[in-house]
Amino acid sequence: NAGVTQTPKFRVLKTGQSMTLLCAQDMNHEYMYWYRQDPGMGLRLIHYSVGEGTTAKGEVPDGYNVSRLKKQNFLLGLESAAPSQTSVYFCASSLVVVNEQFFGPGTRLTVL
Amino acid sequence: KQEVTQIPAALSVPEGENLVLNCSFTDSAIYNLQWFRQDPGKGLTSLLLIQSSQREQTSGRLNASLDKSSGRSTLYIAASQPGDSATYLCAASGYSTLTFGKGTMLLVSP
Repeated sequence: NAGVTQTPKFRVLKTGQSMTLLCAQDMNHEYMYWYRQDPGMGLRLIHYSVGEGTTAKGEVPDGYNVSRLKKQNFLLGLESAAPSQTSVYFCASSLVVVNEQFFGPGTRLTVL
Repeated sequence: KQEVTQIPAALSVPEGENLVLNCSFTDSAIYNLQWFRQDPGKGLTSLLLIQSSQREQTSGRLNASLDKSSGRSTLYIAASQPGDSATYLCAASGYSTLTFGKGTMLLVSP
């Protein structure tokens, strides 16, 4: 099993460009999450999904959109990137909320 | 809103020492408390998960305890090794999501 994978690993964008981050898991997990990690701020939840076709806002959802069309995939979109979105983005999944979360390796995004 | 605090923010110890990392949370209505390890430039790896009905969990040289009533959890690392050097994060589980602390950066020197 590959666990949780994220693509791409690194990306540099210019302000105003758009992009989509892809998260995939092969563990048949119901819950999937997108976090961002910034120095001094810790991990903050952007959006999450409790099952295929569902999404919900987390702590810092502004400027991001998500979709969960397939159970194994969770996409994070930036429609118009801003320098404040420079961060490391992590995807995670869990079977249900009371189970441990498994994390992907992260995507390092820089917005110039 | 749940808030999770980890003390200390950084810790440096010589190899072989036993050490304790602290985690406190403001809302005791949690489903579980999880401890993670993060190596530089890497993702998070789950170390221990303590369900709300449990008091502690052990894995090898790691022991995590949970006191819901006081809003505290501790991670005990026995006989520390240089390979234990990493950032350790705790996270409190609510109904659907985890709230993370900012972590304790641990350096174990040979």
